Amino acid sequence: GEDVEQSLFLSVREGDSSVINCTYTDSSSTYLYWYKQEPGAGLQLLTYIFSNMDMKQDQRLTVLLNKKDKHLSLRIADTQTGDSAIYFCAENFSGTYKYIFGTGTRLKVLA
Amino acid sequence: DADVTQTPRNRITKTGKRIMLECSQTKGHDRMYWYRQDPGLGLRLIYYSFDVKDINKGEISDGYSVSRQAQAKFSLSLESAIPNQTALYFCATSASRAGNIQYFGAGTRLSVL
Repeated sequence: GEDVEQSLFLSVREGDSSVINCTYTDSSSTYLYWYKQEPGAGLQLLTYIFSNMDMKQDQRLTVLLNKKDKHLSLRIADTQTGDSAIYFCAENFSGTYKYIFGTGTRLKVLA
Repeated sequence: DADVTQTPRNRITKTGKRIMLECSQTKGHDRMYWYRQDPGLGLRLIYYSFDVKDINKGEISDGYSVSRQAQAKFSLSLESAIPNQTALYFCATSASRAGNIQYFGAGTRLSVL
């Protein structure tokens, strides 16, 4: 089956770490992505990971991939108010048109 | 300037009207897509095109049509708009290279009354 699930909401205090989780059901995906959507804007790519990797770090962002459990997470260190947005995880099957998106997690950062 | 530009940004129309949403890109990508976003449903694919002569239906193509006028332009038409087509519409592009990353326009918010 093809389904990507995310929790709908997450609230954290400024300066804390945020962890946004995603589970997927299709193990044949090749790339997994995290996108950020701010109000009135399109989806902006934050980072992506190839399916043969376990972890990727990019400044404040850390992506962890557990293929056995089909679990993807995005950790944002030192969360700022500007990080408040909706975060989507997505998967792609290499060379194909098919991108499956999660329903999005709305992150609210409290000052 | 944005790499993927959608026009209009907002549109209000009436049931039964035909409308067109336009997308242009300067990224030089061969692949273009149209999605709609509804609250709690994520993004759903309407149509995609891998080059000018290649048009394919996505999961929710009924009531929509597309035209790939050039590599850089991909338009979406609602032949006879209905209220349940009220949504946020996104155009995206990608290239067939490592990462297969999609780049999105800012979206068109469409309301059908």
